[in-house]
Amino acid sequence: GAGVSQSPRYKVAKRGQDVALRCDPISGHVSLFWYQQALGQGPEFLTYFQNEAQLDKSGLPSDRFFAERPEGSVSTLKIQRTQQEDSAVYLCASSTRLAGKRYNEQFFGPGTRLTVL
Amino acid sequence: GDSVTQMEGPVTLSEEAFLTINCTYTATGYPSLFWYVQYPGEGLQLLLKATKADDKGSNKGFEATYRKETTSFHLEKGSVQVSDSAVYFCALSDPMKTSYDKVIFGPGTSLSVIP
Repeated sequence: GAGVSQSPRYKVAKRGQDVALRCDPISGHVSLFWYQQALGQGPEFLTYFQNEAQLDKSGLPSDRFFAERPEGSVSTLKIQRTQQEDSAVYLCASSTRLAGKRYNEQFFGPGTRLTVL
Repeated sequence: GDSVTQMEGPVTLSEEAFLTINCTYTATGYPSLFWYVQYPGEGLQLLLKATKADDKGSNKGFEATYRKETTSFHLEKGSVQVSDSAVYFCALSDPMKTSYDKVIFGPGTSLSVIP
């Protein structure tokens, strides 16, 4: 069916507000990734889910960042007490996970552009 | 850790010109290499990939060859079109190291093609 969708597409927050960013992966995709893309930079890994299990959160920049995928499909990235340095595009990607394959292609959503004032 | 370096932009070319965007990588393992493209207003898309040394990835007239000896994966196209204007990201992934496909991206190179 449809590709990866993200909402909202744009979010403006005042410094100190909490925000929640949603990702709807491609149906049946086991793997889900979040990336942060600062202006003029390449995406940087934040966290990885395999089904509902968060297997790697090493890229989350601080404990203000929290991600969940409770039923192994939709995922939410939450940022508490937003700061100006959190302004970026947040990308979600999903993929299958076929054992023994060198690479399972990641399909990216359009991203959520977060601006913190 | 693993990393990717690519030539800085922006790059401006005339239509039908030859394109090269240089990319080199640093990795302790044996990664797969990729070029992703981000067209204006669109999401990131995989353009081409190569999973082992001397492999050539190709798509839409673009090519890149996995050169292990020089740790490079330069992107080339013989004749660019206005529609190729986009940001191009070189990237790598080593699932043998992490057991999943974590992708490490370069900083991106912006390409503008003028008629």
